[in-house]
Amino acid sequence: QSVLTQPPSASGTPGQRVTISCSGSSSNIGGNYVYWYQQLPGTAPKVLIYRNNQRPSGVPDRFSGSKSGTSASLAISGLQSEDEADYYCAAWDDSLTGHVVFGGGTKLTVL
Amino acid sequence: QLRLQESGPGVVKPSETLFLTCTVSGDSISGSSYYWAWIRQPPGKGPEWIASIFYSGSTYYNPSLKSRVTISVDTSENRFSLKLNSVTAADTALYYCARVYDSSGYFSRPYFDYWGQGALVTVFS
Repeated sequence: QSVLTQPPSASGTPGQRVTISCSGSSSNIGGNYVYWYQQLPGTAPKVLIYRNNQRPSGVPDRFSGSKSGTSASLAISGLQSEDEADYYCAAWDDSLTGHVVFGGGTKLTVL
Repeated sequence: QLRLQESGPGVVKPSETLFLTCTVSGDSISGSSYYWAWIRQPPGKGPEWIASIFYSGSTYYNPSLKSRVTISVDTSENRFSLKLNSVTAADTALYYCARVYDSSGYFSRPYFDYWGQGALVTVFS
């Protein structure tokens, strides 16, 4: 059971816009930045979004992040076949001595 | 180009200790804005953060694993290591090492910007 809750699956057709949600609590998303990672099959995760809504250089602007209260979302516009991957949210959690928490992941299928 | 490479045994027996090393090339491990981390991913599941370390030796542990884990750094060899005691089948996973960018002065931002390719560890008797 992951601390951050994501839907296990999402899907869309090429060109569509899809969103993936990530729900947490006041000790993690509510008070800290959210990060999003994309994991293509057989590869290590790659950071897509940092500090809620910032994109590292090289990440297409089709990817965007937002946060409101204790929830966050990743939006992918102009969906492409190469976007088919697992997506994970992550945040710092202030409980106990503080630690990193990840979501359980969302498998995105491009139909 | 920064590169991280994990090394260690592919198989560990239950109750034994797992040792993994991450060798960093392409940049110094002693950068002031960077921490170094171990993250694992059981088959078919999401990532789990294990521990992080700063080049000075400051350490941060996942509370759920803290009693069994030690992370250490060797700046002279530009590498850092993980020791996990008393392994069980639940520790079977792909173990990644990663760099963390965090300029806040205290590890609190899971911005893992570079990852190794991962080392598969199976706990099996």
